[in-house]
This record gives sequence, C-alpha cells and structure tokens, in this order.
Amino acid sequence: DGGITQSPKYLFRKEGQNVTLSCEQNLNHDAMYWYRQDPGQGLRLIYYSQIVNDFQKGDIAEGYSVSREKKESFPLTVTSAQKNPTAFYLCASSVRDSPDTQYFGPGTRLTVL
Amino acid sequence: QKEVEQNSGPLSVPEGAIASLNCTYSDRVSQSFFWYRQYSGKSPELIMSIYSNGDKEDGRFTAQLNKASQYVSLLIRDSQPSDSATYLCAVNVGGNNRKLIWGLGTSLAVNP
Repeated sequence: DGGITQSPKYLFRKEGQNVTLSCEQNLNHDAMYWYRQDPGQGLRLIYYSQIVNDFQKGDIAEGYSVSREKKESFPLTVTSAQKNPTAFYLCASSVRDSPDTQYFGPGTRLTVL
Repeated sequence: QKEVEQNSGPLSVPEGAIASLNCTYSDRVSQSFFWYRQYSGKSPELIMSIYSNGDKEDGRFTAQLNKASQYVSLLIRDSQPSDSATYLCAVNVGGNNRKLIWGLGTSLAVNP
C-alpha cells in the first residue's frame, strides 16, 4: 500500500533535548512538507522540500532543522532552541506539478516534559 | 498577507440535513482550492479539490467556487454523525509557490 508514515505516534522529550521525527513516503512524490498544529491555530508550515537535497523555510522554521537526502524521507529535528515544542506535527507530500494536492501522514504528538 | 478565512463554528446540523461550510480568500490569483476533513486527534484527509468556477460533486459532497467573489464552499448533503469533524479550507496561489494557505477550520457537529 502506498502512503505516508510518521513515527513515533507519541513522543515525550525532556527540556533541552533534541528530537528527530521521522517521515517516510512511498508515493513517489517529489515535494514534502512539515507542519505544526496547535489548538485553535490551524496548520503552520515549518519547512518544505520540492526536490532531493533542497528545502526551504516555512513560516515558523526557527528551532527546527530538516534534511532531504532521499526522495522518500524528510526527517524533522526539533532542537532545544524551539521554545514551545509541544504540538501535533504533521508531514505531507505532493506530486511535482500543479494543482498541488497534499496528502498527510498520521502525525506525531510531541510533548515536552 | 495572504489569508484564508473560515467561521470557526461550531456549526450544528441535524442528521439528514445539508451542512454548508464557507471559506473566503484574499489572493485574487489563487488557482487551486481544497477541502480537508480532520477528526479530533487525527491528520487532515482530502475531501474535495476544485480549480474552476462552478460546482463539483462527489457523492454527498459538493464544492462550489466563485473566483470573482473569492469564495469557496462545501456542501454536505444527508449529513451523518460520522461527518462531525473540523473542515479545513486550503488555497494554493499557483506558479512555483507550492505552499498552501490554510484556514483555521470550521467545526461541524451532526446531531442524531
């Protein structure tokens, strides 16, 4: 089955620790995205990548880092510099043409203790 | 600042009724419009996409687009309790910009 997987589903982290969230897709999509969702704030774009070895900052990139070494994978690292990391993190992907329809993984809920 | 606006709700309708969800957007050059459904604690799921003025129907769902009025809506006919969710409107301005601009969502409650 084709799809997008994210792991882990739930993640707990102590303050001051970096943590990496996994996102993998086997849809052969070129573009991948990371969003953060907080209650009442909708989806906010953290980083996106349109092609391997290239990525751009979204609206709230501070305190986050990404890599895109493979087409299938777009991991997100939440660093200790992110002041309020507790949130629901969503990964999405899309084909490289227009119109641009994004498909989402199941999400990772990160809680900082 | 490009914006997408939705009424937060909650919108409450009885089972079997038509639910009407509305979305307005600020950027006149917007080209692609999407409705996603999100159940509590889950990720968004694509319901409908629409690119041209007029109506697009898929089962119980109809998307309506009016680019002149910068307005897109989603109608859900014969609403079911399982339709209770938050509905997100998203707009892509096209070109090389692959980002979607998201509304905050409308909460829908279908009462049995």
